[in-house]
Amino acid sequence: AQTVTQSQPEMSVQEAETVTLSCTYDTSESDYYLFWYKQPPSRQMILVIRQEAYKQQNATENRFSVNFQKAAKSFSLKISDSQLGDAAMYFCVIIGVVVNYGGSQGNLIFGKGTKLSVKP
Amino acid sequence: DTGVSQDPRHKITKRGQNVTFRCDPISEHNRLYWYRQTLGQGPEFLTYFQNEAQLEKSRLLSDRFSAERPKGSFSTLEIQRTEQGDSAMYLCASSPRLAPSTDTQYFGPGTRLTVL
Repeated sequence: AQTVTQSQPEMSVQEAETVTLSCTYDTSESDYYLFWYKQPPSRQMILVIRQEAYKQQNATENRFSVNFQKAAKSFSLKISDSQLGDAAMYFCVIIGVVVNYGGSQGNLIFGKGTKLSVKP
Repeated sequence: DTGVSQDPRHKITKRGQNVTFRCDPISEHNRLYWYRQTLGQGPEFLTYFQNEAQLEKSRLLSDRFSAERPKGSFSTLEIQRTEQGDSAMYLCASSPRLAPSTDTQYFGPGTRLTVL
């Protein structure tokens, strides 16, 4: 079984500042992937960043970076130089890997989300 | 690449009616997924297909729900005898079945269902 916990229902950041969204997870899988997805208001879900659990190096995508602490089962997202377009619901997500095949299982497990507001 | 598309975008129906939603995945993506998202919650997995084979179904997928992907391309999700509790956003996603590093799911815009 896998679970994802996002303890911050809402966060706010000033434009151009940095904000960190928290996420903890639990899994019995030996290998898994972690993601942050973004869902802007009335718009579709977009992948922000992904992390393979076997990789120690933290993933980075432009202004977005993660702090992956495998032993602590923590996976936080840092957004630098926040922009108005970053305002959205952010979901932390986990999916297990089928060890023999090497591909992912079918179902993504989502947290409840953190609503990020960006103030001009 | 046109992305995942879903039709209709909005559906209002009366309790007890049947509804059907369609999802067209990104071309050459052979995995297709259905999720349900209620207000203020993260999406919950319903089912997924690899080509035309339905490989997994969630316990959320009651007997009133059926999904098909007859030719391994588009998929339909049907809800029979709708109930007010079925009101939600129904999301479709697709992914390529290639190396593990490319198994990212790409989402469509969703179909918002309102059951009166």
